[in-house]
Amino acid sequence: QQQVKQSPQSLIVQKGGISIINCAYENTAFDYFPWYQQFPGKGPALLIAIRPDVSEKKEGRFTISFNKSAKQFSLHIMDSQPGDSATYFCAATATGNQFYFGTGTSLTVIP
Amino acid sequence: GAVVSQHPSRVICKSGTSVKIECRSLDFQATTMFWYRQFPKQSLMLMATSNEGSKATYEQGVEKDKFLINHASLTLSTLTVTSAHPEDSSFYICSAPDWTGSRYEQYFGPGTRLTVT
Repeated sequence: QQQVKQSPQSLIVQKGGISIINCAYENTAFDYFPWYQQFPGKGPALLIAIRPDVSEKKEGRFTISFNKSAKQFSLHIMDSQPGDSATYFCAATATGNQFYFGTGTSLTVIP
Repeated sequence: GAVVSQHPSRVICKSGTSVKIECRSLDFQATTMFWYRQFPKQSLMLMATSNEGSKATYEQGVEKDKFLINHASLTLSTLTVTSAHPEDSSFYICSAPDWTGSRYEQYFGPGTRLTVT
């Protein structure tokens, strides 16, 4: 059973555009929602994370929007750049426990 | 942020041999580490949870006799792939959670590419 559902599987965006990746979860015990960025042949790197007590968190060009009632959260990449081309994973966990990962989104930013 | 290292980054071995992969937390102590396997263009599949001072907890379907995990210290966990076969070829990634104040975050190693010939 997939604890965290992620979409789309792949995404192509023009340089300067907005990339949006969505995730949904079912377990209401989850209280920490990170996003990871992974380049080919590398381990995932923490990009940005949010807790359910806020609805939005912004760090530079990256923003997480969180909808607790809908049990959904999304990553927005503003002014997308070719260097942002990577695979993005959302995740969820109940603090102190196992992390559950989405299936990943392959983002390609076209110059 | 905290740093997790893995060694080796790449290894090629012959079928039937064993391979050991090390995972180290460099600037923090980790009583728990996680081992993942990742196939091309797929998500991370949790294989097992490594616990310092006790036996590892394996996920369903993961052969504990084939994937031996030893959490030797608060900064080191090892994964040994025994009697490796070509189907064990994959990208293996470890991670370790760390508390930073009230924040609980997971830090990943750079991964180990295993190729079994």
